[in-house]
Amino acid sequence: AQSVAQPEDQVNVAEGNPLTVKCTYSVSGNPYLFWYVQYPNRGLQFLLKYITGDNLVKGSYGFEAEFNKSQTSFHLKKPSALVSDSALYFCAVRDNDYKLSFGAGTTVTVRA
Amino acid sequence: GAGVSQTPSNKVTEKGKYVELRCDPISGHTALYWYRQSLGQGPEFLIYFQGTGAADDSGLPNDRFFAVRPEGSVSTLKIQRTERGDSAVYLCASSHLTPTPDEQFFGPGTRLTVL
Repeated sequence: AQSVAQPEDQVNVAEGNPLTVKCTYSVSGNPYLFWYVQYPNRGLQFLLKYITGDNLVKGSYGFEAEFNKSQTSFHLKKPSALVSDSALYFCAVRDNDYKLSFGAGTTVTVRA
Repeated sequence: GAGVSQTPSNKVTEKGKYVELRCDPISGHTALYWYRQSLGQGPEFLIYFQGTGAADDSGLPNDRFFAVRPEGSVSTLKIQRTERGDSAVYLCASSHLTPTPDEQFFGPGTRLTVL
C-alpha cells in the first residue's frame, strides 16, 4: 500500500518570504513523487516530480522539492512566494503501480 | 495543444438516476485514469485504462460504477442508481505509457451533485 501525509491543512506566508509545504510518504517499492497545484474551479496542474537522481527537483513557477529518503519526505519549496501562489497544493505518490495516491491537500495563502 | 477535457462541467441529478460523465484525453496518450475528489479531500483513484482495456478498476466503490473506453481514446464513466454520497468532483487524467513514470495531466473535472 502507498500513502501520503500532508501534516498542515493551511500554510500562511507573506509575499516575498520563503514557502514550504510539507509531505511525507509511505510506499513498499520505489517512490515516485509528484506535486500538483489546484486553483479554484480548475483542474490539477502538474508542478514537478521525483523519479530518480538528484534529490533536489526543480519545477514550474519557481517551485522546487527536496527528496529525503531517510525521512521519507518530499517537501515543496519556493524561495520567494507570490500572492498568485495562493492555491491548494497536493502531494502524490505512486510505486510501480500506475495509480496516484494523493494527500489531503494544503491550502497556501500568500498575503501581500 | 489541447488538454484533457471533460463534459459536462456540472451535473445535477436526482437520487436513483443514471449519469454518464465523459472524458477526452490528450491526443496520443495511451493511459487514462478516473479519480473522485470529495470536498476537502485529495483525489481518490477509481479506474485506470491502458488503451481500451481497464487495467485496474480496484478503486471503483461498487458495481453501480462502470467505465468504458471502446476506441482507446474517449472514456465514459457511468453511474447507475445514483446516491447522495456519489456527489463529488470526478476528475479524468491521461498520460503516456513510458518505462519511467510520466506525469498525469488532469482535466477540469465534472462536479456531480445528487439531490
